[in-house]
Amino acid sequence: NAGVTQTPKFRILKIGQSMTLQCTQDMNHNYMYWYRQDPGMGLKLIYYSVGAGITDKGEVPNGYNVSRSTTEDFPLRLELAAPSQTSVYFCASSLSVGGGRLRMGNQPQHFGDGTRLSIL
Amino acid sequence: AQSVAQPEDQVNVAEGNPLTVKCTYSVSGNPYLFWYVQYPNRGLQFLLKYITGDNLVKGSYGFEAEFNKSQTSFHLKKPSALVSDSALYFCAVRDWDDKIIFGKGTRLHILP
Repeated sequence: NAGVTQTPKFRILKIGQSMTLQCTQDMNHNYMYWYRQDPGMGLKLIYYSVGAGITDKGEVPNGYNVSRSTTEDFPLRLELAAPSQTSVYFCASSLSVGGGRLRMGNQPQHFGDGTRLSIL
Repeated sequence: AQSVAQPEDQVNVAEGNPLTVKCTYSVSGNPYLFWYVQYPNRGLQFLLKYITGDNLVKGSYGFEAEFNKSQTSFHLKKPSALVSDSALYFCAVRDWDDKIIFGKGTRLHILP
């Protein structure tokens, strides 16, 4: 059972380049998330998706874009890389077990092992 | 806004001693609280959660957490620490719009 898989594991970009961070999950989870982790800062939510075709901004969306064409995949796009985007990026997924109060905030999130991105 | 605080950047504990990693929260309404652990070069792993019910929650790897409403705390505990427990620990709380807010993390060092 692979869980959440992120590729690549490491990447170095030059300022102004673009790239896509890939994320796929095989647990049939409807919710997916992208976070960035900076030292001493915890995790910041970039974008999230509650299902295929639906995405929404998190706390720090500027400079990023996402799409969710399938349940399994949730790629994160950097269009014009900047040094401030040097970080470790984590994709996560979770399962919604019902409507009303039983939404994404109740369920544990499953994380990939991250993509370490340096912008030089 | 909801928030979660981990007042200690680092905690050192001798192997075999009990450990506590502190977490306090600020929410309106009933809190949904979580603990996650992160090992080097890995993603976060879920340890336990409090939604409702018993104030003492048991989780993975022998960890437990005590929910204290009057002190707005959700401290992570383990009766006897192992060297393999050394990792980065995150407390998290559900925000008003259902997203999860993570604390800044506490690095736990278990000394042999």
